[in-house]
Amino acid sequence: SQQGEEDPQALSIQEGENATMNCSYKTSINNLQWYRQNSGRGLVHLILIRSNEREKHSGRLRVTLDTSKKSSSLLITASRAADTASYFCATELTGGGNKLTFGTGTQLKVEL
Amino acid sequence: SAVISQKPSRDICQRGTSLTIQCQVDSQVTMMFWYRQQPGQSLTLIATANQGSEATYESGFVIDKFPISRPNLTFSTLTVSNMSPEDSSIYLCSVLGSGKLFFGSGTQLSVL
Repeated sequence: SQQGEEDPQALSIQEGENATMNCSYKTSINNLQWYRQNSGRGLVHLILIRSNEREKHSGRLRVTLDTSKKSSSLLITASRAADTASYFCATELTGGGNKLTFGTGTQLKVEL
Repeated sequence: SAVISQKPSRDICQRGTSLTIQCQVDSQVTMMFWYRQQPGQSLTLIATANQGSEATYESGFVIDKFPISRPNLTFSTLTVSNMSPEDSSIYLCSVLGSGKLFFGSGTQLSVL
């Protein structure tokens, strides 16, 4: 079964609002990463958080990781129409040999 | 970072035929990964391709259906053999760098 389950599946917000996406996983991880995909094309890496980290920031992105709850969240602040995309979490499992397992994804739509 | 050129970007194929997808990386990399993304779904790892050795396939994927070549450290191909409409998906190659994945732009395959 899927390692990462994301919610919501779809999210529609107005430009300027914040968007929060959540990811839950099942087994021990080395790190958790977030990726963005525009229109079903190649994915772009956004941010990586290691298992011993609790929070990371990159520009308008804020990621948290709670290993006790096996969950992570991605916050996009002050969203823009250009943020419209699908967002996926991906986990590198402990002992997984550098392979990443992707979550189910959240489709974000930012409206003007 | 790595830049990956993937081709073709899209193709429409007849049932029973085969398609070979190519990925060229602008630097030498040890591990290359091939993913499949079925319509509206997340990414599923097909196989890991290391130069000089046989590809390692994930559960549910077999070499006869998805033969992979890895002749050098900058190039790989994935063939989708004896295609059926169920093979209609986006196929993505990726490489690992600094713990994160860099993706090609994907091949959108439609099988009639």
